[in-house]
Amino acid sequence: DAKTTQPPSMDCAEGRAANLPCNHSTISGNEYVYWYRQIHSQGPQYIIHGLKNNETNEMASLIITEDRKSSTLILPHATLRDTAVYYCIVRVANFGNEKLTFGTGTRLTIIP
Amino acid sequence: NAGVTQTPKFQVLKTGQSMTLQCAQDMNHEYMSWYRQDPGMGLRLIHYSVGAGITDQGEVPNGYNVSRSTTEDFPLRLLSAAPSQTSVYFCASNPGTGGSSPLHFGNGTRLTVT
Repeated sequence: DAKTTQPPSMDCAEGRAANLPCNHSTISGNEYVYWYRQIHSQGPQYIIHGLKNNETNEMASLIITEDRKSSTLILPHATLRDTAVYYCIVRVANFGNEKLTFGTGTRLTIIP
Repeated sequence: NAGVTQTPKFQVLKTGQSMTLQCAQDMNHEYMSWYRQDPGMGLRLIHYSVGAGITDQGEVPNGYNVSRSTTEDFPLRLLSAAPSQTSVYFCASNPGTGGSSPLHFGNGTRLTVT
């Protein structure tokens, strides 16, 4: 599986948009980009995923570059509850091959 | 739906003891997996299963056994606990449709081996 690179930490003011970058330059054509977050020591929480196109749901937006080598997770109006570690991972689309590689993620701190 | 349920939430073992971490899901998911999380190391895959009766090793399988006799349950066994197995363990499941469906995680078991 392709590896991802994320900055170790970021700050964002409450109410502003938080933009979290991820590099996945070795991504393959059948690999999805996924974002999860982890608050304290709870289980990872799914946020959003995409293959080629930009995606939006009730939590966030995902922007994937045209060459698919990088992506950005956008939390449009960050709140204090968004303080967490955010993981960007890539994942193959074939059934039976679900080996994922979680890196160390980005620790996002929302500042009041 | 309860989703993915892990028990116990906390456990302390002495070196050499054995135990089983339980994981159950009620979503009829084919795929289940176990991860461990250590400080500064993200999540690492221990074992996974693509269906009842089928298991395979992940990145860090040594010291752990798994079996999958039913779709719902995927227990993780520590045969002889070692301090290096002190960690937080997460179980996850997925419908088995590949990369188009998200993994669902449990809330973890925090294990300390003394």
